[in-house]
Amino acid sequence: QKEVEQDPGPLSVPEGAIVSLNCTYSNSAFQYFMWYRQYSRKGPELLMYTYSSGNKEDGRFTAQVDKSSKYISLFIRDSQPSDSATYLCAMSEVGGGADGLTFGKGTHLIIQP
Amino acid sequence: SQTIHQWPATLVQPVGSPLSLECTVEGTSNPNLYWYRQAAGRGLQLLFYSVGIGQISSEVPQNLSASRPQDRQFILSSKKLLLSDSGFYLCAWSVGGTATQYFGPGTRLTVL
Repeated sequence: QKEVEQDPGPLSVPEGAIVSLNCTYSNSAFQYFMWYRQYSRKGPELLMYTYSSGNKEDGRFTAQVDKSSKYISLFIRDSQPSDSATYLCAMSEVGGGADGLTFGKGTHLIIQP
Repeated sequence: SQTIHQWPATLVQPVGSPLSLECTVEGTSNPNLYWYRQAAGRGLQLLFYSVGIGQISSEVPQNLSASRPQDRQFILSSKKLLLSDSGFYLCAWSVGGTATQYFGPGTRLTVL
């Protein structure tokens, strides 16, 4: 059983639409949740970081964590062509340790002008 | 502010040749350092992590090794490359006590 599931897409939406990206996971010990954006042939860039359950908003981005359902989401409002990229969710059990993150495989998002 | 560098950006190597990829971090002290490999359709796989000079932990058995000769320098090596070593290699750093990791620009390795 895979630890983190993420639909690879591609997900294609028109400019200005609200985008919803999701990940599900099986390890109930995960407590720290991150979303990264990765442009083609570039390193991942940290977008959002949340701890435990709840919502966090930063500009056009909202991250949502539902630990009871083992489900996390990233919402993008007023989507722009520059948002076209691969979005990776990542999780960790420990905040203070040196463990690596467990990643989803990423969702390829295309915003059509 | 903190900056992470990786080089080379792109590398094409024959099977059986050695490998050395370098990663350096600026603007922070005693970071945790990580090497990941990203292969098409397989996501990011953690290869090694280090909490200090000379301290290396390996996540998967493989044809690769890592070393940390200085506080902010992390090196990924191989004595003899295999075709399966091809991929996008990413270095990342974090501050002790936090979960968030910050990635470098990556090295794209093609083994022929």
